[in-house]
Amino acid sequence: NAGVTQTPKFRVLKTGQSMTLLCAQDMNHEYMYWYRQDPGMGLRLIHYSVGEGTTAKGEVPDGYNVSRLKKQNFLLGLESAAPSQTSVYFCASSYPRTALNLAVFDNEQFFGPGTRLTVL
Amino acid sequence: GNSVTQMEGPVTLSEEAFLTINCTYTATGYPSLFWYVQYPGEGLQLLLKATKADDKGSNKGFEATYRKETTSFHLEKGSVQVSDSAVYFCALSAPGRRALTFGSGTRLQVQP
Repeated sequence: NAGVTQTPKFRVLKTGQSMTLLCAQDMNHEYMYWYRQDPGMGLRLIHYSVGEGTTAKGEVPDGYNVSRLKKQNFLLGLESAAPSQTSVYFCASSYPRTALNLAVFDNEQFFGPGTRLTVL
Repeated sequence: GNSVTQMEGPVTLSEEAFLTINCTYTATGYPSLFWYVQYPGEGLQLLLKATKADDKGSNKGFEATYRKETTSFHLEKGSVQVSDSAVYFCALSAPGRRALTFGSGTRLQVQP
């Protein structure tokens, strides 16, 4: 199993250009996520999906769009890139588990290797 | 809301030293707790986890115990190696929330 893969690994854009980041997982996970990682700020959730055909906003969704047309793929789009979007982007997937007594919510996530994006 | 607070780094240790990275959390309900590790240039990997109070997660010599009374999940290792140099993230998942809540990360540097 390849796990979670991301393409491309690196990209440099000029302000105003557009691009799409692709995430693929082969674990049959229902949930998929896009995070961005900036120095000193941990990971922040951009968008997520709880199943094929569904998407939802996270903490920092502005300037990004997503689509989940197939269960195994989750695309992140930048329509008009800005320097503030320079970051490392991580995709993740999970299959959340709830115990029989509903008292546990184990949402272990599996991460891709990341895409380093620079916007000039 | 949910939040995770980690000690700020970098933490610099000599090889074979004892490691503690503090992590405290606030959450509603009964969260699950995680430690992820990120090696240079790589994505995050799960290091260990605990899903209920008093559980101890362990892996590769690292340990952390889920302490509900102190809302903590401190990471420990008895003898660190140079290869443990990485950024460590504490995180939680809680009922009603679809994503993990991460701390800001703690960079560990181990010197020979």
